[in-house]
Amino acid sequence: SQTIHQWPATLVQPVGSPLSLECTVEGTSNPNLYWYRQAAGRGLQLLFYSVGIGQISSEVPQNLSASRPQDRQFILSSKKLLLSDSGFYLCAWSQQGDTEAFFGQGTRLTVV
Amino acid sequence: GENVEQHPSTLSVQEGDSAVIKCTYSDSASNYFPWYKQELGKRPQLIIDIRSNVGEKKDQRIAVTLNKTAKHFSLHITETQPEDSAVYFCAARGGSQGNLIFGKGTKLSVKP
Repeated sequence: SQTIHQWPATLVQPVGSPLSLECTVEGTSNPNLYWYRQAAGRGLQLLFYSVGIGQISSEVPQNLSASRPQDRQFILSSKKLLLSDSGFYLCAWSQQGDTEAFFGQGTRLTVV
Repeated sequence: GENVEQHPSTLSVQEGDSAVIKCTYSDSASNYFPWYKQELGKRPQLIIDIRSNVGEKKDQRIAVTLNKTAKHFSLHITETQPEDSAVYFCAARGGSQGNLIFGKGTKLSVKP
């Protein structure tokens, strides 16, 4: 069966520090991968999605970036965090085509 | 790109009543419309989905309807129970794109 791993679960980082959140998927190949941010416990904002290795689409301009170095690995990064980067970050995967997306456990990031 | 609007943002019903949440989308090429439920502090989980070749789908107390001409779809929950209280998200996946765009969510409260 397929599983998604996302870590860490919680993170407190100072303003201006770098960020690296990692997500890996097991049990499938060539998945679509997504990074979402959820601020104030409500809306799911799509940040990046990827349909294959090295193929990253950015939905919202910001100081975040994403990379997909391997088929089942998706990394969210920032060189310098802002206070406004605080939120609940969710990684998700889906099969290619019209299928549901499965979410990781999420990372609650607090920038102080 | 795709844009998904969701209403209402909050909904309070009495136990046993029905709840209806409505969404509209902008990309006529979208062909997959899932609904997710997110309980406090947890990851979103799929509760039902519908594809563009179907007008209605039911699963016990939950049903979803899709009107492709009008580009809107709705979630119907009958005989609501307190455990239905959560935030519900609609989403749409556009045509050949891999992105999955979510509405801003509806906080449903079911009062005993």
